[in-house]
Amino acid sequence: LAKTTQPISMDSYEGQEVNITCSHNNIATNDYITWYQQFPSQGPRFIIQGYKTKVTNEVASLFIPADRKSSTLSLPRVSLSDTAVYYCLVASNTGKLIFGQGTTLQVKP
Amino acid sequence: NAGVTQTPKFQVLKTGQSMTLQCAQDMNHNSMYWYRQDPGMGLRLIYYSASEGTTDKGEVPNGYNVSRLNKREFSLRLESAAPSQTSVYFCASSDNGGAFQETQYFGPGTRLLVL
Repeated sequence: LAKTTQPISMDSYEGQEVNITCSHNNIATNDYITWYQQFPSQGPRFIIQGYKTKVTNEVASLFIPADRKSSTLSLPRVSLSDTAVYYCLVASNTGKLIFGQGTTLQVKP
Repeated sequence: NAGVTQTPKFQVLKTGQSMTLQCAQDMNHNSMYWYRQDPGMGLRLIYYSASEGTTDKGEVPNGYNVSRLNKREFSLRLESAAPSQTSVYFCASSDNGGAFQETQYFGPGTRLLVL
């Protein structure tokens, strides 16, 4: 089972780009990488998912190197409302879901 | 379209009591999941149901039972609650027939305190 490792916390300021890296050294061929965001007292919310290279949507970008042993979530121009916990998730269609410990992002004015 | 709903929002139990947490989704999803989240920790999968009529154990199934009542509803039962089961419980659903890489949609959570 792939296990993920993320920084426990990060600080940033409004308007900056934030990059959160997740390590998943034992990722399997069928595994996808998914990131979720969680605000206090709410359930997690899907942000982005990828298998390899780069994926971009209206919220974030996800960079995955060729060896797929890590991934980086990039949040452009963060605002105070981006303060949340961000989870890196590795899962396949046959395995079980394993959430990373999460990265608490604090955006300051 | 309410998405994923959970009841109750909050519950206090005494050790040894039983209760059932209810979850329902109106997105016609095949798969449903139960997680627990302890303070400062990520979510851990308790049980999941890849499709109606099937259930499987997750990472931390001990002390819990589940029922996939129909395609919409997936309940989690604590037969004899213990203080170690104090946690926030999240239900989720996805339209993947068991393929975990599909997006999961989470409910608002049930906060359970076992005294």
